[in-house]
Amino acid sequence: AQSVTQLGSHVSVSEGALVLLRCNYSSSVPPYLFWYVQYPNQGLQLLLKYTSAATLVKGINGFEAEFKKSETSFHLTKPSAHMSDAAEYFCAVTGGNSGGSNYKLTFGKGTLLTVNP
Amino acid sequence: GAGVSQTPSNKVTEKGKYVELRCDPISGHTALYWYRQSLGQGPEFLIYFQGTGAADDSGLPNDRFFAVRPEGSVSTLKIQRTERGDSAVYLCASGGGIYNEQFFGPGTRLTVL
Repeated sequence: AQSVTQLGSHVSVSEGALVLLRCNYSSSVPPYLFWYVQYPNQGLQLLLKYTSAATLVKGINGFEAEFKKSETSFHLTKPSAHMSDAAEYFCAVTGGNSGGSNYKLTFGKGTLLTVNP
Repeated sequence: GAGVSQTPSNKVTEKGKYVELRCDPISGHTALYWYRQSLGQGPEFLIYFQGTGAADDSGLPNDRFFAVRPEGSVSTLKIQRTERGDSAVYLCASGGGIYNEQFFGPGTRLTVL
């Protein structure tokens, strides 16, 4: 079955510091990959997606992610953290060949990002 | 434009009761999904509709759970004989397109006492 691993359930950074949230997926055929952000008591908002067009994907709010097939990774980065970035971030996958469908999303467990002043 | 809406935002019920959770997708989206998010976990797939039919209900945990989408728009998730373990946030998403982007509603927080 398809799976997504997010290393680090909690990441804490200082305001202005680099944000790096890790995501690894299980599939030898590149799937579609997504990053979602969830603010407290809100639904999931799509940050960015990888759909095989370009390996470096730019999203909203200054976030970007790089697809690395050799590492089966899709890590999320932002050069300079803002206080407003504090939220939970989920990596998700669909498609690929590890028993994945082309519609339902399989999510990681999430990484809570804290930004310190 | 309007996003996905879900009602109620919060539902508190007693063990053994029946509940219905409603989802209004983005207009024109043919695909609709239900997910369940337990505390500290990522969302887990429950069911997928394409139009009026349930194309995949493999994520429904047991036969107490049922969902309908009679006119291909609004969907209702129905839970019979609720149990305390059903307490979670139930998320609805709609989408489409070749990359299957899914747009999520704010969720319904269900608490079973």
